[in-house]
Amino acid sequence: AQTVTQSQPEMSVQEAETVTLSCTYDTSESDYYLFWYKQPPSRQMILVIRQEAYKQQNATENRFSVNFQKAAKSFSLKISDSQLGDAAMYFCAYRLDSGGSNYKLTFGKGTLLTVNP
Amino acid sequence: DVKVTQSSRYLVKRTGEKVFLECVQDMDHENMFWYRQDPGLGLRLIYFSYDVKMKEKGDIPEGYSVSREKKERFSLILESASTNQTSMYLCATTIGGRSSPLHFGNGTRLTVT
Repeated sequence: AQTVTQSQPEMSVQEAETVTLSCTYDTSESDYYLFWYKQPPSRQMILVIRQEAYKQQNATENRFSVNFQKAAKSFSLKISDSQLGDAAMYFCAYRLDSGGSNYKLTFGKGTLLTVNP
Repeated sequence: DVKVTQSSRYLVKRTGEKVFLECVQDMDHENMFWYRQDPGLGLRLIYFSYDVKMKEKGDIPEGYSVSREKKERFSLILESASTNQTSMYLCATTIGGRSSPLHFGNGTRLTVT
């Protein structure tokens, strides 16, 4: 079974600084997708960024970027110019590209990010 | 935007009660999911459904069942609620297809006393 590990239960960053959240995963498959979700205190899960495993180029979305290392099975999230609104629980997630009807995600345990003014 | 609505934001039930958690989506998505979220454990999949009347067990289905009679509605049922089912429950949907993300509801925080 695939597993997703987030080794940092909590992280903090100063406003305007850069922070990197770690994620590793375990899979024997070659085709899959990786996601980062954000859950602020409102509890609404919001997609931050996604990465297709077949793409070598790292995904970016504005201030959010990933460092995808397929051989190392690592998928870290970098937040640049941190803002107070970035404070949230962040979840890393994996989905196998099974080609069928199974679109379930496997999540890590989450990293709680605090942004200090 | 996809709208996923969970009928209750907070719910308090007694041990042994039958509990229904409802989830409705407005985007005609075929795939729907129920996750449970606990501190330090992340999100764990209870059940999912990829079509009307179709369901599959996730990683922690014990003590739960589901119903999907209509495409837009996916219900999670606790046949006899127990205190260890006190948790946050999140419903999600996806249209399917490559790299399509999950869209989540706002969650139901269930307390079983």
